[in-house]
Amino acid sequence: GAGVSQSPSNKVTEKGKDVELRCDPISGHTALYWYRQSLGQGLEFLIYFQGNSAPDKSGLPSDRFSAERTGGSVSTLTIQRTQQEDSAVYLCASSPQGFHSGNTIYFGEGSWLTVV
Amino acid sequence: DAKTTQPTSMDCAEGRAANLPCNHSTISGNEYVYWYRQIHSQGPQYIIHGLKNNETNEMASLIITEDRKSSTLILPHATLRDTAVYYCIVRASNTGKLIFGQGTTLQVKP
Repeated sequence: GAGVSQSPSNKVTEKGKDVELRCDPISGHTALYWYRQSLGQGLEFLIYFQGNSAPDKSGLPSDRFSAERTGGSVSTLTIQRTQQEDSAVYLCASSPQGFHSGNTIYFGEGSWLTVV
Repeated sequence: DAKTTQPTSMDCAEGRAANLPCNHSTISGNEYVYWYRQIHSQGPQYIIHGLKNNETNEMASLIITEDRKSSTLILPHATLRDTAVYYCIVRASNTGKLIFGQGTTLQVKP
């Protein structure tokens, strides 16, 4: 079956431009996560969606970052007025019934963002 | 959220068992221990998870101490393709999100 799908796989953008990154979770998964990983660094939690509950936005680094999840499925991470420090790989993950901590979280291959 | 402590790096000879330790002394009773690995330039790959009992699957075994304050991931016959960063994570019991530490870089050598 299909895993977590992310697009674009690579994106080069100019400083100051807005970018949108898309995530298609595994079908039927109610929980969706976004993480960021800068070069040579660990994974940084950004935001977490669980069903119809209010998302956990505690990891978003600034108000330039936002995310939506439409219809409980596809999610879009938007970065406005990109800065060079936003360059990183943005990873999406999903899991069934996220509040049950025994469920497995599956990651996509990421969207590589380079801000020049 | 419980924090985890792992060695920064480890080496293992090809064909030998790789034993990766993790300390999570502040873990709560209903929090699971998860292991993921990340091979260069790829998304994290799920390996195994457990609560109290030892667990085994086709990839690895997870040994959790009786007091649950530490665990060990065992790759029974390491191959060169097992070279990766291995993350030990305790899953937050209230929101379910995974908080990653710096992990252990495992280098499997021929």
